[in-house]
Amino acid sequence: DAGVIQSPRHEVTEMGQEVTLRCKPISGHDYLFWYRQTMMRGLELLIYFNNNVPIDDSGMPEDRFSAKMPNASFSTLKIQPSEPRDSAVYFCASLGLAGGGSYNEQFFGPGTRLTVL
Amino acid sequence: GDSVTQMEGPVTLSEEAFLTINCTYTATGYPSLFWYVQYPGEGLQLLLKATKADDKGSNKGFEATYRKETTSFHLEKGSVQVSDSAVYFCALMNYGGSQGNLIFGKGTKLSVKP
Repeated sequence: DAGVIQSPRHEVTEMGQEVTLRCKPISGHDYLFWYRQTMMRGLELLIYFNNNVPIDDSGMPEDRFSAKMPNASFSTLKIQPSEPRDSAVYFCASLGLAGGGSYNEQFFGPGTRLTVL
Repeated sequence: GDSVTQMEGPVTLSEEAFLTINCTYTATGYPSLFWYVQYPGEGLQLLLKATKADDKGSNKGFEATYRKETTSFHLEKGSVQVSDSAVYFCALMNYGGSQGNLIFGKGTKLSVKP
């Protein structure tokens, strides 16, 4: 398996623009997590899904942030409108039993570095 | 709620020095404990884990023992290399509440000089 895939790897946009981050989890994993990493706040869990259903979105900072998982192999995190304080690295991770995995290990993607000017 | 506290960095060591990064946790029940490593420009990778008290996780010369009596999971390595320079995150996963939800410490940056 190619692991967790995220796109784009880097995104530079201007304040007010819509930004969409994408994630493809490991095939067969039934949990998907979105994290944000900044120098000030460290790693923060934004939202996570189980079997494509959002379970806990209490970490989503504002209504400007939304996440969807239309099927088991794809999720998006959207920011509309974006602001400079949204600049961060956004990670996606998946977890599940498929492929010899366990519910003990999350697998992380390489992240998307977002810069909002 | 559950939480993880790890020593603040940065930590700077010379090659072949001994490394300890302290990590303590607060949790109800019996969490699993993890160390993740993040190399520059990359995502997090699992370094080692322990799922019950007194378990020792080990990988690439790193070790950590799950100590329930002291609620600790300190990371150690006997002889660090320049290639170990990275940010290390201690984390716990507690199944009492949210299945699979990791709670991270703030990370400790390690720099190893030749």
